[in-house]
Amino acid sequence: QVRLHQWGAGLFKPSETLSLTCAVYGGSFDDDSDDFWSWIRQAPGKGLEWIGGTDSSGRAHYRPTLKSRVSISVDSFKNELSLRLTSVTAADTAVYYCARGRPMQYVSGWYYFDLWGQGTLVTVSS
Amino acid sequence: EIVLTQSPGFLSLSPGERATLSCRASQSVRSSLLAWYQQKPGQAPRLLIFGAFTRATGIPDRFSGSGSETDFTLTISRLEPEDSAVYYCQQFDMSPITFGPGTKVDIK
Repeated sequence: QVRLHQWGAGLFKPSETLSLTCAVYGGSFDDDSDDFWSWIRQAPGKGLEWIGGTDSSGRAHYRPTLKSRVSISVDSFKNELSLRLTSVTAADTAVYYCARGRPMQYVSGWYYFDLWGQGTLVTVSS
Repeated sequence: EIVLTQSPGFLSLSPGERATLSCRASQSVRSSLLAWYQQKPGQAPRLLIFGAFTRATGIPDRFSGSGSETDFTLTISRLEPEDSAVYYCQQFDMSPITFGPGTKVDIK
């Protein structure tokens, strides 16, 4: 059974660069070229916010409000998905999830998320 | 950006009752490119419904989705204690992908 496992540091100071990694077990990031591997975050007590994602060929898309600070990439050799978010502030404090995005068959659009990592709590504090 | 609004914000019902959760979009969502998720405390969201009405693998048939364009509904018939959770809708018609603020369902 395919599952996602993620890891990374949990505490950052303002202005630092947040870095998280996600690995897929029981499969690989290039099993299906239609998949779109994303990062989604959830501030404490709040709802879900899509950060961005990439397909296995490296085509990435980001939330416009974060685009200048975020980078998401897949390393097919290591079978890892990475998130980098620069110049973090307290507003970036959240649980971060990696997730597999799937398109609807026969319909042009974006992705719903059928597989999620366990989540990583990231706190930004001086 | 498509803004999703969910109502009610909180729902308290008894086991065996029916829950009706609403998700309204600020503009039409093409081809019902809408999904529903369930999230329990301390857990990642779980996909329930995609394409507005297609149940994900392993989801009981007491969960059903309906609607189109700007108005969508998640119905949970015959509530069970384990259905206590927050439920989110998500549109994947346009980028950025967006989620609703959630409806918390409490089982008395």
